Amino acid sequence: AQSVTQLGSHVSVSEGALVLLRCNYSSSVPPYLFWYVQYPNQGLQLLLKYTSAATLVKGINGFEAEFKKSETSFHLTKPSAHMSDAAEYFCAVRNNNAGNMLTFGGGTRLMVKP
Amino acid sequence: DAGVTQSPTHLIKTRGQQVTLRCSPKSGHDTVSWYQQALGQGPQFIFQYYEEEERQRGNFPDRFSGHQFPNYSSELNVNALLLGDSALYLCASSLSGSYGYTFGSGTRLTVV
Repeated sequence: AQSVTQLGSHVSVSEGALVLLRCNYSSSVPPYLFWYVQYPNQGLQLLLKYTSAATLVKGINGFEAEFKKSETSFHLTKPSAHMSDAAEYFCAVRNNNAGNMLTFGGGTRLMVKP
Repeated sequence: DAGVTQSPTHLIKTRGQQVTLRCSPKSGHDTVSWYQQALGQGPQFIFQYYEEEERQRGNFPDRFSGHQFPNYSSELNVNALLLGDSALYLCASSLSGSYGYTFGSGTRLTVV
């Protein structure tokens, strides 16, 4: 079964600094991978997705992620953090063998310091 | 174009009671999935409905049941509520065969 591990439940960066949120997956088949953002008391908003096309995926709000099969990773990055980026971020893998349910990681809370 | 609509937004129930949550999918979507998100955790898959049938189920007890209507909207029912059922319940809709999932804002259920 597929699984997702997000290293670091909390990440704190200064405004303008690089954002790096880590995600490693386990999958027996080529995965479809997703990053979602969740603001307080809201649902999930899709940032970007990897569906076996280009390994570097660009998303909304300046975020991007690189799929690295050799490292089974799909880390999320943003060159310069904004205060508005403070939120909870979830990495997810689609379980292709068992239908299209999503398996989520535990989430990383991003804090941005002024 | 309306996205996924969930109702109610907040709900408080007593242990042992039953609750029904509702979801209207995004226009054009025919598949509805439900997720439970406990505080401080990632969402956990409950089940998925397609063509008015439960197509897939996660590791949740039979107290959790659902339904999908001909217009693709869906309900999640939870019987014999436990304190541990307190969570944000998210509905996600998609078009069968596609990779796009649209999530609603969720229903916050508190069991006291």
